[in-house]
Amino acid sequence: AQKITQTQPGMFVQEKEAVTLDCTYDTSDQSYGLFWYKQPSSGEMIFLIYQGSYDEQNATEGRYSLNFQKARKSANLVISASQLGDSAMYFCAMRERTSGTYKYIFGTGTRLKVLA
Amino acid sequence: EAGVVQSPRYKIIEKKQPVAFWCNPISGHNTLYWYRQNLGQGPELLIRYENEEAVDDSQLPKDRFSAERLKGVDSTLKIQPAELGDSAVYLCASSYSYTVHGRNYGYTFGSGTRLTVV
Repeated sequence: AQKITQTQPGMFVQEKEAVTLDCTYDTSDQSYGLFWYKQPSSGEMIFLIYQGSYDEQNATEGRYSLNFQKARKSANLVISASQLGDSAMYFCAMRERTSGTYKYIFGTGTRLKVLA
Repeated sequence: EAGVVQSPRYKIIEKKQPVAFWCNPISGHNTLYWYRQNLGQGPELLIRYENEEAVDDSQLPKDRFSAERLKGVDSTLKIQPAELGDSAVYLCASSYSYTVHGRNYGYTFGSGTRLTVV
């Protein structure tokens, strides 16, 4: 069963506008972590933002914020004031503790294209 | 600070040949990961090291894949023999162990090695 679901294979946004990338997850753990990564065409994966399951406030890092809705098991990434350089693949990931060790699971990604 | 360094950047080999990838993590990061990323997919964990110990290798195809992390620093991932289905990008990442100073850090990934098996 898919643990991380990103339902948007591709998204377009106009430069300077905000965009939301969806992510839902499935876990029975009470303690887990959620991450977002950016992968430009050059291939490297860039860490953007982290949300812990016990964090009461939504995480923010500059123009990135994470809309964490625990009851809905969603962790959507919001990018404000989009820039052309934001065009990339975006991956949602979860870390959960399973059988005494940590598992790290990535979604299939959303390709974002920012239009001038 | 230097990032995670991987080599080679690209590798093309014939099937049944061996291949090895090398990774040098960020200094001070005691956790090291090898991921495989197929085209159009997210990365999938192959193996995770805490220092020199492989603490999660449940998804490593052990019949042909092997990895080592001597002295808890550099790591090598090997495939022998390679199959056509092994064509993918192999990503190395490193991080602090879970939490440092009460804050969680994401991984730092290398640029990856793009393997093509023909």
